[in-house]
Amino acid sequence: AQSVTQLGSHVSVSEGALVLLRCNYSSSVPPYLFWYVQYPNQGLQLLLKYTSAATLVKGINGFEAEFKKSETSFHLTKPSAHMSDAAEYFCAVTLYNQGGKLIFGQGTELSVKP
Amino acid sequence: GAVVSQHPSRVICKSGTSVKIECRSLDFQATTMFWYRQFPKQSLMLMATSNEGSKATYEQGVEKDKFLINHASLTLSTLTVTSAHPEDSSFYICSAVSVGSYEQYFGPGTRLTVT
Repeated sequence: AQSVTQLGSHVSVSEGALVLLRCNYSSSVPPYLFWYVQYPNQGLQLLLKYTSAATLVKGINGFEAEFKKSETSFHLTKPSAHMSDAAEYFCAVTLYNQGGKLIFGQGTELSVKP
Repeated sequence: GAVVSQHPSRVICKSGTSVKIECRSLDFQATTMFWYRQFPKQSLMLMATSNEGSKATYEQGVEKDKFLINHASLTLSTLTVTSAHPEDSSFYICSAVSVGSYEQYFGPGTRLTVT
């Protein structure tokens, strides 16, 4: 069975600093991987996804993530944090034959300091 | 495209009453919809998978008689919380997967408060 682990329930960065949110997965077959962002009292918005094409994936709002099979990782990065990036971030995994059923990580709360 | 709506966005009900939450895919047909529950500062917990025209598949530990799910059409699924109690208070989120796809599109969520 597949699983996802997000290292760090809370990450704090200064405005303009690098954002790095960590995600490691476990899967016996090639996975599809996703990063979602959730603002307070809202649903989830897709930031980016990996579906076995390019290993470096670019998403919305300047975020990107790199799929590293050897490290079973899919870390999310952004070169320069904005105050508006403060939110909860979820990494998720599914398999091609799961009908879209996602397994979510525990989530990482990103705080951005002025 | 790929917009999912939920109604209502917030609901307050008295203990013992039932509440229905609607999830609609506005611009695509969804063969599968998912219902999640989210507690404060926690991740999403999958409650059930809803397939159009068939019975929902519930995750372990989720009471199917308490959380009734109906997926009557390719654009609408409903979750009814029956005989609600204060411990059912939570944020409920639905998502939909379009025909032939694997990507989930999420609704904005419904905040349920049971008094």
